[in-house]
Amino acid sequence: DAKTTQPTSMDCAEGRAANLPCNHSTISGNEYVYWYRQIHSQGPQYIIHGLKNNETNEMASLIITEDRKSSTLILPHATLRDTAVYYCIVRVANNAGNMLTFGGGTRLMVKP
Amino acid sequence: ETGVTQSPTHLIKTRGQQVTLRCSSQSGHNTVSWYQQALGQGPQFIFQYYREEENGRGNFPPRFSGLQFPNYSSELNVNALELDDSALYLCASSPGTWTDTQYFGPGTRLTVL
Repeated sequence: DAKTTQPTSMDCAEGRAANLPCNHSTISGNEYVYWYRQIHSQGPQYIIHGLKNNETNEMASLIITEDRKSSTLILPHATLRDTAVYYCIVRVANNAGNMLTFGGGTRLMVKP
Repeated sequence: ETGVTQSPTHLIKTRGQQVTLRCSSQSGHNTVSWYQQALGQGPQFIFQYYREEENGRGNFPPRFSGLQFPNYSSELNVNALELDDSALYLCASSPGTWTDTQYFGPGTRLTVL
């Protein structure tokens, strides 16, 4: 699975959009971009994933650049409950073992 | 809430002891993965079980072993505990090895003294 690079930490004002970047310059054509988050003292929670098209669900939007070397997770109206560590993961879908390779993630602090 | 439960919540052991951690998968899920998360780091994959068979393993020594039962609940066993085994142990279930999403439990915090 390709490696990812994320900023160590970010701040966001409550009610504003939080834009979390991720670089994955060595991503392969069959690798997807996944986002999970981990709120303090809880297990990771799936947010969204995509291959090359932008994706949106009830939690967030995922914007993937045309060359697929980077992506941005957007939380449109951040709340205090969105304070968490956000992990960007690239992996082949349907891979045997189905493991997730977590990096250090971005610690997002949403401030009032 | 994901429907994945783990027990116990916290555990304290001494070096050299053995420990068993338990995980109950979400209903309908036949695949379980275990992860170790040291303080301040991302989770690291230990192994995965699919229909009671080990289906993949990360870079962990053989003293980390597991079981999956016919009801798809699972155990993680660690023998000869070392101080570096102190971590949060997470299990995650999914409805198959091919699926995109894993559902994590809240974890078991293991402290080795």
